[in-house]
Amino acid sequence: NAGVTQTPKFRILKIGQSMTLQCTQDMNHNYMYWYRQDPGMGLKLIYYSVGAGITDKGEVPNGYNVSRSTTEDFPLRLELAAPSQTSVYFCASGVDYGYTFGSGTRLTVV
Amino acid sequence: AQSVTQPDIHITVSEGASLELRCNYSYGATPYLFWYVQSPGQGLQLLLKYFSGDTLVQGIKGFEAEFKRSQSSFNLRKPSVHWSDAAEYFCAVGYLAGTSYGKLTFGQGTILTVHP
Repeated sequence: NAGVTQTPKFRILKIGQSMTLQCTQDMNHNYMYWYRQDPGMGLKLIYYSVGAGITDKGEVPNGYNVSRSTTEDFPLRLELAAPSQTSVYFCASGVDYGYTFGSGTRLTVV
Repeated sequence: AQSVTQPDIHITVSEGASLELRCNYSYGATPYLFWYVQSPGQGLQLLLKYFSGDTLVQGIKGFEAEFKRSQSSFNLRKPSVHWSDAAEYFCAVGYLAGTSYGKLTFGQGTILTVHP
């Protein structure tokens, strides 16, 4: 099935731990994005990529890192997890604003 | 900087009633405008989009939206709501070109509850 696949779906982290949220798309899209969603706040852009090897910061990049070694994969790395990173994370890919969203990763930092 | 405001955090309607969800944007140039819907525990699904041309756009699931430049608005409407329309709805604006092309700014979302 074509689309955006995110793993894991749920995760609980302890403060100070690190983890990588995986995102893979099979639509050959150049543009990929990571958003976080907090209640009543809408979605905020963390990082985005316009192609393999090219990434840039979004609105709320602090505490996160990304890489884009292939067109298909766009992992998001959390270093030294903090309670403020408790959120739902969505990966998306698209062409000309035709976004396809993944189903999300719900992360809790305790 | 561009921004999107959805004034209504939560709206409740009866099944069969009409619906209008409000969206106002702040943006200098002609924007790209979008409405997304999110069911509980799911990702976002595109309902409709406006790029240019006819200011009344039709989307999926019987939704439509009207772009009004003079009011900086892009309100979402549906003539008759179904119980399955209960979800959270997000308005979003995108940049036309330049280094910010492709990035969306989302509103805070409006939760729609449908009473039988």
